[in-house]
Amino acid sequence: GESVGLHLPTLSVQEGDNSIINCAYSNSASDYFIWYKQESGKGPQFIIDIRSNMDKRQGQRVTVLLNKTVKHLSLQIAATQPGDSAVYFCAENIGGGSYIPTFGRGTSLIVHP
Amino acid sequence: DTGVSQDPRHKITKRGQNVTFRCDPISEHNRLYWYRQTLGQGPEFLTYFQNEAQLEKSRLLSDRFSAERPKGSFSTLEIQRTEQGDSAMYLCASSSDGFGEKLFFGSGTQLSVL
Repeated sequence: GESVGLHLPTLSVQEGDNSIINCAYSNSASDYFIWYKQESGKGPQFIIDIRSNMDKRQGQRVTVLLNKTVKHLSLQIAATQPGDSAVYFCAENIGGGSYIPTFGRGTSLIVHP
Repeated sequence: DTGVSQDPRHKITKRGQNVTFRCDPISEHNRLYWYRQTLGQGPEFLTYFQNEAQLEKSRLLSDRFSAERPKGSFSTLEIQRTEQGDSAMYLCASSSDGFGEKLFFGSGTQLSVL
């Protein structure tokens, strides 16, 4: 089975609201986590990453939080815009010389104007 | 544009035919990946190259699938005797040592097997 999964398959928000997308992982050996955004007809696009020695990392309007105790990852998007509408995937990497990210199923974010 | 490019964008074929896809990675990237994605699912790893060496292959990759990366530049993915279950988006990604596991994806090749 999948070791990376998402709690909500679809998230609908109003423009301007903050969005939170969650992800659970099961492999405690994972040391690197990445969030990707995929728009219709395109390949996944890197948003932000975090290593297991960190709890939080911020980017432009995005923040990733990592809780290793409960093996949980979240992506927060501030002031969500219609252009943020897409499917969001978390991916994990086991490390130890493996450079192969494993993807979860994804969450569809729908932003209503 | 110096991103990852894939060709063709769409391929429709009949069951039993062979198909070949091409991927041109970002020029300075030494790692190249193939993933497969079906509707509503995340990308599934198929195979991975470090320069011209194919280092890992998923158990998903049956004997009908073969990938090459001659000279460590572009890569091809061939599917022989296609089956309807092969219908999917085939994604190529590349990365470099400097970026670790951060992958840069192409737009994919959408395969439809009739």
